Amino acid sequence: EVQLVESGGGLVQPGGSLRLSCAASGFSFSSSWMTWVRQAPGKGLEWMVNINPDGSEKYYVASVKGRFTISRDNAKNSLYLQMNSLRAEDTAVYYCARHIGYEVCDIWGQGTMVTVSP
Amino acid sequence: EFVLMQSPGTLSLSPGEKATLSCRASQSVTNNYFAWYQQKPGQAPRLLIYAVSTRATGIPDRFSGSGSGTDFTLTISRLEPEDFAVYHCQFRGTFGGGTKVEIK
Repeated sequence: EVQLVESGGGLVQPGGSLRLSCAASGFSFSSSWMTWVRQAPGKGLEWMVNINPDGSEKYYVASVKGRFTISRDNAKNSLYLQMNSLRAEDTAVYYCARHIGYEVCDIWGQGTMVTVSP
Repeated sequence: EFVLMQSPGTLSLSPGEKATLSCRASQSVTNNYFAWYQQKPGQAPRLLIYAVSTRATGIPDRFSGSGSGTDFTLTISRLEPEDFAVYHCQFRGTFGGGTKVEIK
């Protein structure tokens, strides 16, 4: 079964850090571009960062550049998002997704909630 | 800054009716990297349409996409009960704010 499963969300204080993980199965993870997309409560989707199959190319949205770091371990079929210097406005559900041609995401995880609050 | 504006914010229709959702880009889109997603409460988005008008795998043919330049449209020819959801448009790294299709 094609699947992405995120984990690692939770409650963190402003200025804190959190590391999200995304476990992939059922497709060729090592050949896939991957993406993190987030959605603040009651809001729309926000693309955050892409990573190419071998991890050598990473593209970040301006609002997280320098604070968030995407990485992957193809041997473990896993994607990661290290989030530092968290702010209240980073509160959202974070989704990992497979990024394919035409710049779209065709496989999505169920999401993991991150809450940044004192 | 490139922005996608979706309208209306909410569309109230009955099952069996036709739904027409609009997405307007702040600048002309010069390639066909335009997509639509469906999202139900508590669920992840699901890819419906990519490359403006190509249905993703398993998407029924009552869903269709069209448009060019700055104006794009998602049409649901006859609403089924499972179609009531929020719909998001996307061009590359930018998403629209969403249109909620609710039962009238």
